[in-house]
Amino acid sequence: AQTVTQSQPEMSVQEAETVTLSCTYDTSESDYYLFWYKQPPSRQMILVIRQEAYKQQNATENRFSVNFQKAAKSFSLKISDSQLGDAAMYFCACGGATNKLIFGTGTLLAVQP
Amino acid sequence: KAGVTQTPRYLIKTRGQQVTLSCSPISGHRSVSWYQQTPGQGLQFLFEYFSETQRNKGNFPGRFSGRQFSNSRSEMNVSTLELGDSALYLCASRGGSSGANVLTFGAGSRLTVL
Repeated sequence: AQTVTQSQPEMSVQEAETVTLSCTYDTSESDYYLFWYKQPPSRQMILVIRQEAYKQQNATENRFSVNFQKAAKSFSLKISDSQLGDAAMYFCACGGATNKLIFGTGTLLAVQP
Repeated sequence: KAGVTQTPRYLIKTRGQQVTLSCSPISGHRSVSWYQQTPGQGLQFLFEYFSETQRNKGNFPGRFSGRQFSNSRSEMNVSTLELGDSALYLCASRGGSSGANVLTFGAGSRLTVL
């Protein structure tokens, strides 16, 4: 069974500052993937970043990067130079070989101008 | 390239009725999965279809069913609607060069059961 835990229901960051969203997971699969999805108020889920568990190097996508600690089963998302458009609900998710993703409960990020 | 298209976007039903939601995946994607999103339970996996076959199913009652057509379009059906079925239903497709297990989601169908 897989579980994903996001312990921060809400976070706030000043525009241009850096914020880190936390996520821990548990899975019995040996080969798995981790994701951060963003859901703005328009509600379309958008992929922010993904990490293959077999890769040691942390994934980065422009201002978004992850800190993947496999032994600790931790997968945090760092957003640098925060912008107003980053305000959204962020979901951490874990998946194996199938399309079944297990999502965390989400972190609502507010960006203050 | 068109994204994942879900119809209808909004619908209101009464208890006991049934509903059918439709999902057209990205062209070339053969895998479609469905998720239910509610404030209380969050995002929960319903089922996944690949080449017209259900490959995986979540922990939902038999009132929830789905199918996939030869053109990869998918429908999900909920029969005998209950108040608790009110939710945002999200469809996602995967395939092509989108990478390992990367799901592309549609905008969702918001179902309200009165």
